[in-house]
Amino acid sequence: EAGVVQSPRYKIIEKKQPVAFWCNPISGHNTLYWYLQNLGQGPELLIRYENEEAVDDSQLPKDRFSAERLKGVDSTLKIQPAELGDSAVYLCASSRDRDDEQYFGPGTRLTVT
Amino acid sequence: AQTVTQSQPEMSVQEAETVTLSCTYDTSESNYYLFWYKQPPSRQMILVIRQEAYKQQNATENRFSVNFQKAAKSFSLKISDSQLGDTAMYFCAFEIQGAQKLVFGQGTRLTINP
Repeated sequence: EAGVVQSPRYKIIEKKQPVAFWCNPISGHNTLYWYLQNLGQGPELLIRYENEEAVDDSQLPKDRFSAERLKGVDSTLKIQPAELGDSAVYLCASSRDRDDEQYFGPGTRLTVT
Repeated sequence: AQTVTQSQPEMSVQEAETVTLSCTYDTSESNYYLFWYKQPPSRQMILVIRQEAYKQQNATENRFSVNFQKAAKSFSLKISDSQLGDTAMYFCAFEIQGAQKLVFGQGTRLTINP
């Protein structure tokens, strides 16, 4: 069974530029999560999807961040415009159902210069 | 709000030794789960062990075991016969049952020396 796939693995952009991250969850997993992991810290949830519905986006900075999960499968997280403080690792995870184990992807390391 | 605290930023032991990583948490909930995740340099978070709060028996997975003290809100991870491949960041995490939201600690960087 293929794991959670994320791309790109690394991204370097200048501040004020837009950036997008892509996630393909494990097949059959209804729930998809985006986490932000700052250097030296644990991940923090940004948004959670149940199929194509965003059911918890309370931690998503909506002025510059947006996300979508079309057809309840792949998801894209976008930042526009990026700021220096957005430099971090963005992790995607998926789970089959409520209370099931979350499986994580390898993350995208974003550097904003 | 739920919080998770890992008081050991870094630990280092020799190969084959036993090491214990500490974790405390704060919650008013009674039904929850506790986890230990491993994050090697590849960045992929891997579930090491999971404990349901309603279970009194401590979870065990091969060389990994936990000491769950519910009253003290403590959840430590013991790694026996440590191996070089155990070198990684270890995160303690908490999840209220049904909430589907993991709350992570700050992590402990564990180094196993040959």
